[in-house]
Amino acid sequence: AAGVIQSPRHLIKEKRETATLKCYPIPRHDTVYWYQQGPGQDPQFLISFYEKMQSDKGSIPDRFSAQQFSDYHSELNMSSLELGDSALYFCASSSRNEQFFGPGTRLTVL
Amino acid sequence: QKEVEQDPGPLSVPEGAIVSLNCTYSNSAFQYFMWYRQYSRKGPELLMYTYSSGNKEDGRFTAQVDKSSKYISLFIRDSQPSDSATYLCAMTSTDSWGKLQFGAGTQVVVTP
Repeated sequence: AAGVIQSPRHLIKEKRETATLKCYPIPRHDTVYWYQQGPGQDPQFLISFYEKMQSDKGSIPDRFSAQQFSDYHSELNMSSLELGDSALYFCASSSRNEQFFGPGTRLTVL
Repeated sequence: QKEVEQDPGPLSVPEGAIVSLNCTYSNSAFQYFMWYRQYSRKGPELLMYTYSSGNKEDGRFTAQVDKSSKYISLFIRDSQPSDSATYLCAMTSTDSWGKLQFGAGTQVVVTP
């Protein structure tokens, strides 16, 4: 069965640079969620989109923005990167209730 | 204090034993409860999904929800070394749909 696809899988950036993370949901899933997981921590909700509209917002810094496109894929844009942004970033998708997670993008900020 | 509390473990059990995991929560609005399994550096994998109170069984996994006590459990029967992972509970409410609140995760080690 098709799963959530995230790219890139690994990303290394310098402080103050920008990064773009991409998420391709499971086919026919209309909702996308972004989570951040720091080392040894549980995933923290960042933002979600339903039918290309932002549906909920969590603890997402103002330096981050995201959108969902007409083909339902989503991109998380991160600017002015800080060392503390180093984490695993997960995308999840759903069509009803259950959320299915992708493999994550590991972002390292040097 | 976090809305969802989960003992981080580690929890070590011998192969074939029953693994018992649980979470408590404080928000009475939570109605949807999930258990995820996460291997190191991988994405969380959905194991069980339950709505409101009651039990749900799927193969070796049984999930229980007791809303009156704000307590959920996951039982894994006939545990295998491949079950060694971190298990995360997660929950959400109708008015904050999709914004999952996770527990800290319990690390489980099944020894051969």
